[in-house]
Amino acid sequence: NAGVTQTPKFQVLKTGQSMTLQCAQDMNHEYMSWYRQDPGMGLRLIHYSVGAGITDQGEVPNGYNVSRSTTEDFPLRLLSAAPSQTSVYFCASRPGTDIYNEQFFGPGTRLTVL
Amino acid sequence: AQSVTQLGSHVSVSEGALVLLRCNYSSSVPPYLFWYVQYPNQGLQLLLKYTSAATLVKGINGFEAEFKKSETSFHLTKPSAHMSDAAEYFCAVSGGSNYKLTFGKGTLLTVNP
Repeated sequence: NAGVTQTPKFQVLKTGQSMTLQCAQDMNHEYMSWYRQDPGMGLRLIHYSVGAGITDQGEVPNGYNVSRSTTEDFPLRLLSAAPSQTSVYFCASRPGTDIYNEQFFGPGTRLTVL
Repeated sequence: AQSVTQLGSHVSVSEGALVLLRCNYSSSVPPYLFWYVQYPNQGLQLLLKYTSAATLVKGINGFEAEFKKSETSFHLTKPSAHMSDAAEYFCAVSGGSNYKLTFGKGTLLTVNP
């Protein structure tokens, strides 16, 4: 199993550009989520999904869009990038929706917005 | 609502010394508690979790944590630090009917030779 994979690893954008961060998992996990990590802030939940076709907002959803058309993929779209979105983005998945299950994290995407 | 407070953003210990990373939580329902570790330039991986089965939880790499309801704490310990333990450690809490995991701000552990 590849686990949770994320592409790209690094990305530089200009203010106003849009892009999609890709996330895929091959463990048939129902639950997937996106976090952003900023220094001194820990991880903050952006969006999550409890299954194909079902998504919901997390703590910091503004400026981001998600969809879940398959169990495997959960892309994160930046609609119009802003410098405040400079961060490291992590995708995670876990089996089922039980909150005591371990979450598996991808290696992260480091995004810089100029 | 739930929250986590990690006391100390940076902890420095000598190799072989006791590691103690502090975590206090707030939750309106019985919580599930987790410790994750992040090595440089990597994603997070689970160290251990508390799911109400036992108050003393043992994890990977010699770490353990004790759930103390009266103190709303879930501190992480390791008797003897190793250089390879240098990383950032995150405490997290979940509970209730929502699906969310709430993370603390992290504690960076430095191990000195």
